[in-house]
Amino acid sequence: DTGVSQDPRHKITKRGQNVTFRCDPISEHNRLYWYRQTLGQGPEFLTYFQNEAQLEKSRLLSDRFSAERPKGSFSTLEIQRTEQGDSAMYLCASSLGQVSYNEQFFGPGTRLTVL
Amino acid sequence: GESVGLHLPTLSVQEGDNSIINCAYSNSASDYFIWYKQESGKGPQFIIDIRSNMDKRQGQRVTVLLNKTVKHLSLQIAATQPGDSAVYFCAENRRGNAGNMLTFGGGTRLMVKP
Repeated sequence: DTGVSQDPRHKITKRGQNVTFRCDPISEHNRLYWYRQTLGQGPEFLTYFQNEAQLEKSRLLSDRFSAERPKGSFSTLEIQRTEQGDSAMYLCASSLGQVSYNEQFFGPGTRLTVL
Repeated sequence: GESVGLHLPTLSVQEGDNSIINCAYSNSASDYFIWYKQESGKGPQFIIDIRSNMDKRQGQRVTVLLNKTVKHLSLQIAATQPGDSAVYFCAENRRGNAGNMLTFGGGTRLMVKP
């Protein structure tokens, strides 16, 4: 257990529905990252926050995706109008970020299946 | 539990032998590298990291070698144990990337035979 928690661990939804995932990082970590991982692939960066500010978004993050970190602590990732191609593991990671190259600690992920 | 990677390159070793997992990276601007271990149903777990100003770094039972000339990274695991069975990913951070977002490689599955 790295100290990063994600909820839910599994989500099955029908195409067209909206889903929201939550990530609770290690409490003193000011950086929070979202990644997506499909079977047989390494994680792909989606977006990251420093405190409450969303500073970078990948081109993978279509306009159906939105992420927030309102108080600089937990974060949510919402996918609107889900598509079958959204089926993947969504991973959250956090780091201290005060100096360069801090280790990113990953949560267990949320496995999304879109039927 | 669910499988992390169904079509990954696989390295099969006997318990007690040494393992070497290789990774090629493409971006010469990358200046920080990490090896992660991922077991089924879990998120990636940090193993060891190395900065580009180093060629070798050792941890407990693990060694990472960096060859910047050919853009190659390797992870050596000494006296491999059944608990080492997992998928291993290398990840790189590109110089100037203030957010330290990581770019992951495709992964290698390590299977340890008792």
